[in-house]
Amino acid sequence: AQSVTQPDIHITVSEGASLELRCNYSYGATPYLFWYVQSPGQGLQLLLKYFSGDTLVQGIKGFEAEFKRSQSSFNLRKPSVHWSDAAEYFCAVVSDPMDTGRRALTFGSGTRLQVQP
Amino acid sequence: ETGVTQTPRHLVMGMTNKKSLKCEQHLGHNAMYWYKQSAKKPLELMFVYSLEERVENNSVPSRFSPECPNSSHLFLHLHTLQPEDSALYLCASSQDGGSVRYNEQFFGPGTRLTVL
Repeated sequence: AQSVTQPDIHITVSEGASLELRCNYSYGATPYLFWYVQSPGQGLQLLLKYFSGDTLVQGIKGFEAEFKRSQSSFNLRKPSVHWSDAAEYFCAVVSDPMDTGRRALTFGSGTRLQVQP
Repeated sequence: ETGVTQTPRHLVMGMTNKKSLKCEQHLGHNAMYWYKQSAKKPLELMFVYSLEERVENNSVPSRFSPECPNSSHLFLHLHTLQPEDSALYLCASSQDGGSVRYNEQFFGPGTRLTVL
């Protein structure tokens, strides 16, 4: 079964510092990968996605992610973090979580980002 | 209204109550989903409706009952819930391209459910 691991539960960075959030996936074929962000009390907003092609993907709000097949990773990066980036970040892979032939998303457990002034 | 909306945003109910959560998507999508988000657990997919066909999920207790009357509306009917069912319930929609293509899901803001 497909799975997603986000090894960092909680990360704190200073405003203006660079950020990298880790994501590892388990999937046999070429995965469809996503990063979502969730602000407190809100739903999930798509930051970026990887389906195929260029392994470096640009997203909204200055985020980017790099797909590395050899490492089964899809890490999210931002060169300079803003206080408004404080939120929870979820990596997800398209899968068949109910083993029914219907695809949906399998999510990692999330990484909570705190930004220090 | 735009995107995916959910009502109510907050709900407190007793274990003997019956209530319903509502989701509406204004994106012209043909697939809708219910997820449960509990503290310290990954988002769990509960139900999928694609092209108005429900995908059974045997891992979800029968006290949760989904209904999808058309491609724009999705309900989650709740009865005799337990305190451990307290969570954020998220609705999402997408354009299901079948085996050819998968498209991203758009999420609503969620309903925060508390079961007393």
